[in-house]
Amino acid sequence: EAAVTQSPRNKVAVTGGKVTLSCNQTNNHNNMYWYRQDTGHGLRLIHYSYGAGSTEKGDIPDGYKASRPSQENFSLILELATPSQTSVYFCASGDGWGDQDTQYFGPGTRLLVL
Amino acid sequence: AQKVTQTQTSISVVEKTTVTMDCVYETRDSSYFLFWYKQTASGEIVFLIRQDSYKKENATVGHYSLNFQKPKSSIGLIITATQIEDSAVYFCAMREGDSNNRIFFGDGTQLVVKP
Repeated sequence: EAAVTQSPRNKVAVTGGKVTLSCNQTNNHNNMYWYRQDTGHGLRLIHYSYGAGSTEKGDIPDGYKASRPSQENFSLILELATPSQTSVYFCASGDGWGDQDTQYFGPGTRLLVL
Repeated sequence: AQKVTQTQTSISVVEKTTVTMDCVYETRDSSYFLFWYKQTASGEIVFLIRQDSYKKENATVGHYSLNFQKPKSSIGLIITATQIEDSAVYFCAMREGDSNNRIFFGDGTQLVVKP
């Protein structure tokens, strides 16, 4: 089964500070995703990637950058964090078609921006 | 417009009974894929079951099954013989045929299974 890990698991940041959330997957999936989940809501896509060196904007990319330096790693960067970015962030990886077509999620990162 | 809609925000059932969670979706693609995910109290999100639009037979995995009504753009999740540990938030999701693995999620339905 795919393994997706995230670090840190919890983060407190100050407004205007830079925050980097990291994600690592060990199943050699091409596609990786960053979502945020706010209380009482589903998952909203921020950025995604089709492979090393590629990043694509999702539904809510404003205020976020992404980096995919390798097949295994996908980072989400908040250059100037704001309180509205307080949320739980999930990374996921996925690949393929047919029976392999699903996404595997990391455990999430709780971010609090003060 | 939201592509995936779950109108039930919360459902409470007694254990060992059957529960159905509703989900409707919106797409113009002739080929698409529907998924249900479960998020436990710890926050873990796991894939449960999927339905490919071209398959007429409803998918079944363990005590999870789907009620796929294509003309109504509906994909209900049925859990039979519910257990306390089925208490979680259930998300419906859809991938359109040409979206290269990008998935759209509904807002989720909270299921509480009581003894």
